[in-house]
Amino acid sequence: NAGVMQNPRHLVRRRGQEARLRCSPMKGHSHVYWYRQLPEEGLKFMVYLQKENIIDESGMPKERFSAEFPKEGPSILRIQQVVRGDSAAYFCASSSARLSGITDTQYFGPGTRLTVL
Amino acid sequence: DQQVKQNSPSLSVQEGRISILNCDYTNSMFDYFLWYKKYPAEGPTFLISISSIKDKNEDGRFTVFLNKSAKHLSLHIVPSQPGDSAVYFCAASLDDKIIFGKGTRLHILP
Repeated sequence: NAGVMQNPRHLVRRRGQEARLRCSPMKGHSHVYWYRQLPEEGLKFMVYLQKENIIDESGMPKERFSAEFPKEGPSILRIQQVVRGDSAAYFCASSSARLSGITDTQYFGPGTRLTVL
Repeated sequence: DQQVKQNSPSLSVQEGRISILNCDYTNSMFDYFLWYKKYPAEGPTFLISISSIKDKNEDGRFTVFLNKSAKHLSLHIVPSQPGDSAVYFCAASLDDKIIFGKGTRLHILP
């Protein structure tokens, strides 16, 4: 039973380019969460998605960032016109149920390390 | 505005002794508290959680204590083992979000 998969593991982009980060949740999980970890910081919530729906995007920067979780295929976090400050580790997590009244928890992927030159 | 605070960036403990990692929070509406362990170049892995209505939860070598009046929780690891060397994140859940502290790096000394 494969865990949460993220690819690529490392991504290098020049300023102004687009970055696309992919996340395949654990089998049977329909809830996906994206987090960003800046150096020496904790993980910061960005967005929570279910299949074809954005449930909570309160942690997403207002511009250049978008996320989707289509009916088929992985969840995508897209960053347009990247800047140096976007350099971070981006983690995806999945769960089988909503966290409210939690008995389940989120399972994290290995992360994508984005470096913007 | 840090809602979950881990004030010790690092901690060194002798192998075999007890490791105590501390965490403070500000939001009394959090319903669950969680501890995650993270090795370099890997994602966090869930360790143990506690409901806000409990004051203790134990799982093997790991015990989490919650003091709601002080808005404080701690993770005890006993006995500490070399494989416990990692970064430990305290986290709290509210609605659909998990809010993380900045982490404490635990070094287990031989």
